[in-house]
Amino acid sequence: QQQVKQSPQSLIVQKGGISIINCAYENTAFDYFPWYQQFPGKGPALLIAIRPDVSEKKEGRFTISFNKSAKQFSLHIMDSQPGDSATYFCAASKYTGNQFYFGTGTSLTVIP
Amino acid sequence: DAGVIQSPRHEVTEMGQEVTLRCKPISGHNSLFWYRQTMMRGLELLIYFNNNVPIDDSGMPEDRFSAKMPNASFSTLKIQPSEPRDSAVYFCASSPYRGSSINEQYFGPGTRLTVT
Repeated sequence: QQQVKQSPQSLIVQKGGISIINCAYENTAFDYFPWYQQFPGKGPALLIAIRPDVSEKKEGRFTISFNKSAKQFSLHIMDSQPGDSATYFCAASKYTGNQFYFGTGTSLTVIP
Repeated sequence: DAGVIQSPRHEVTEMGQEVTLRCKPISGHNSLFWYRQTMMRGLELLIYFNNNVPIDDSGMPEDRFSAKMPNASFSTLKIQPSEPRDSAVYFCASSPYRGSSINEQYFGPGTRLTVT
């Protein structure tokens, strides 16, 4: 059973637009939610992460929005750039745990 | 820091052959993870080790897959015999697990396996 559900599977956005990727989880014990970014031919790398004590975290053009009651979180990429074209994975974990449960990934293409 | 090192980067083999993938975690990291990535299933955890001990291998698809971590600086994932459906990118990741707080996982560049 998929612990974390991610959508959409693929996304095409115009340069300068907003990219939005959504994730949902079931296990209320999860309290750490990272997003990983993967470029072609590379391994995933941590982009940004949030804990449920805040509803939003922003780092540059990247923002995580978190809705604890709905058990959902999303990644917003503002002013999307062609260099943001990559696969994005959401994940969930217990803060003191060691196992990440990854979503199935979203392939983002930003067209000039 | 060299990061997580995986070898080979690409492997092409025929069905029925044994395949061994190798991983060197970041020095000082005591947790190691093996993942498989496919278009259909995304990133799947196969097995992970803490302090060289396998903790959870429930993601290993079947007995054809085995993983070892003989010491803190080396791990292998073996497939014997290999099948075309094993074709995927296999990632190794490591983290400095401390038990009291979350630990980022650092991924290697992956091994692209093609079984013909």
